[in-house]
Amino acid sequence: SQTIHQWPATLVQPVGSPLSLECTVEGTSNPNLYWYRQAAGRGLQLLFYSVGIGQISSEVPQNLSASRPQDRQFILSSKKLLLSDSGFYLCAWQGNGGYTFGSGTRLTVV
Amino acid sequence: GESVGLHLPTLSVQEGDNSIINCAYSNSASDYFIWYKQESGKGPQFIIDIRSNMDKRQGQRVTVLLNKTVKHLSLQIAATQPGDSAVYFCAENIGGGYQKVTFGTGTKLQVIP
Repeated sequence: SQTIHQWPATLVQPVGSPLSLECTVEGTSNPNLYWYRQAAGRGLQLLFYSVGIGQISSEVPQNLSASRPQDRQFILSSKKLLLSDSGFYLCAWQGNGGYTFGSGTRLTVV
Repeated sequence: GESVGLHLPTLSVQEGDNSIINCAYSNSASDYFIWYKQESGKGPQFIIDIRSNMDKRQGQRVTVLLNKTVKHLSLQIAATQPGDSAVYFCAENIGGGYQKVTFGTGTKLQVIP
C-alpha cells in the first residue's frame, strides 16, 4: 500500500534562518506530489506541485522553493524565513483522482 | 473556488443529530468530487467521493449528494458523534485522474455533547 512520510512534525525557526521540509512517498512510482500551506483556521493553499523529477510548478509568488531530486522525494525549502512563513505545511500525493496527505509540519517562525 | 484567506465557517450540531455540510463548486467541467476530514493538527483524510454520473453515494454514516445543475455538493453525517468534530473540505477534479484538485473553503464542524 502507498504511504506518505513528512517530517519534522513541528519546527520552530528564527527569522532569517533556512528551512528544509522533506516528504517521501512509498508504494507508488512517478507520483504527482504537492506542497500545501494552511494558516491557522484557514483553508488549503497550494504552493508547489511536481509531476516528475526536476519538474516543479509554483502556484504563488513567495519566499519558498521546492525541489524533487528523486521520484518519491519532494522538498520544500527557504533560504531565509519570514514571520509570514509560519503555518501548517502539508505534503500530498495524488493517486487516481484524490489526494493522500502527510501528517503535516507545524512551522513557527519567531 | 479556493478561499484560503478566509476564516472557516462553523457548523455546531448536537450530538446524535444529523449534520449537513454544503459546498459550492465553480468549474462546470469538474466531474469528480471528494470530501476530506481534517482533525486538529493532522492532515486531511479522505472520507468519500462521487463521480458526476451519480447524484448520491453512501458510506458508513456519511452520504454525499451532488447537484450538477446548481454546482452544489453536500456531505451528510448521520447521528453525529464527538469524534466527527473536525474541518471538512470538499474538493473537485476534472477527469478523476492526474489533474490538480481544487479545494473548497472548508467548514468547521463542532459537535456539542
